[in-house]
Amino acid sequence: RKEVEQDPGPFNVPEGATVAFNCTYSNSASQSFFWYRQDCRKEPKLLMSVYSSGNEDGRFTAQLNRASQYISLLIRDSKLSDSATYLCVVNPSSGGYNKLIFGAGTRLAVHP
Amino acid sequence: EAGVTQFPSHSVIEKGQTVTLRCDPISGHDNLYWYRRVMGKEIKFLLHFVKESKQDESGMPNNRFLAERTGGTYSTLKVQPAELEDSGVYFCASSPEQGFGNTIYFGEGSWLTVV
Repeated sequence: RKEVEQDPGPFNVPEGATVAFNCTYSNSASQSFFWYRQDCRKEPKLLMSVYSSGNEDGRFTAQLNRASQYISLLIRDSKLSDSATYLCVVNPSSGGYNKLIFGAGTRLAVHP
Repeated sequence: EAGVTQFPSHSVIEKGQTVTLRCDPISGHDNLYWYRRVMGKEIKFLLHFVKESKQDESGMPNNRFLAERTGGTYSTLKVQPAELEDSGVYFCASSPEQGFGNTIYFGEGSWLTVV
């Protein structure tokens, strides 16, 4: 079983749609959680951290359910520029350093 | 401020040859990481330096891979001899200090093709 599992997609949605991605992780002791965005042949870039209470950044909302070991990302009012691969990332370390565990990513394609 | 820079951006080598990848972290960042993504797989951690010391090299696949960070500035990752399965993109990342929620910054990657 992979440490971080994601639906690979692709999710093909029209502009303005709301789309949700899910992710599960296997290590119950994991400490911190993130969503990264990766454009084609580019480096991953931090989209947002995910907190237990849930957090929002503009059109993006992230949720964490520690009991179910489940993370989600909701994108509202999708833009063409949101087309990318979204990586669910977990830091299992209790030492505070950044040994990140990546999911394989979910591809999003937003069309006009 | 310059980001994490990696060199070369692309490299094509024959099986059995040696390749050395270089990473220059953001100035002042003590923590430097190497990750890689091979075809069809997720990005995986290789190792972590704190200054010039290897903090964690648990992700290094085998002894054909050697990472160094002499002087605690730039780092090199040498693959010798390269095998076909080493093809992929090698990302370097850096962060200023340890701690949860501390953002790490990735370079654009070095794309390696072994033929």
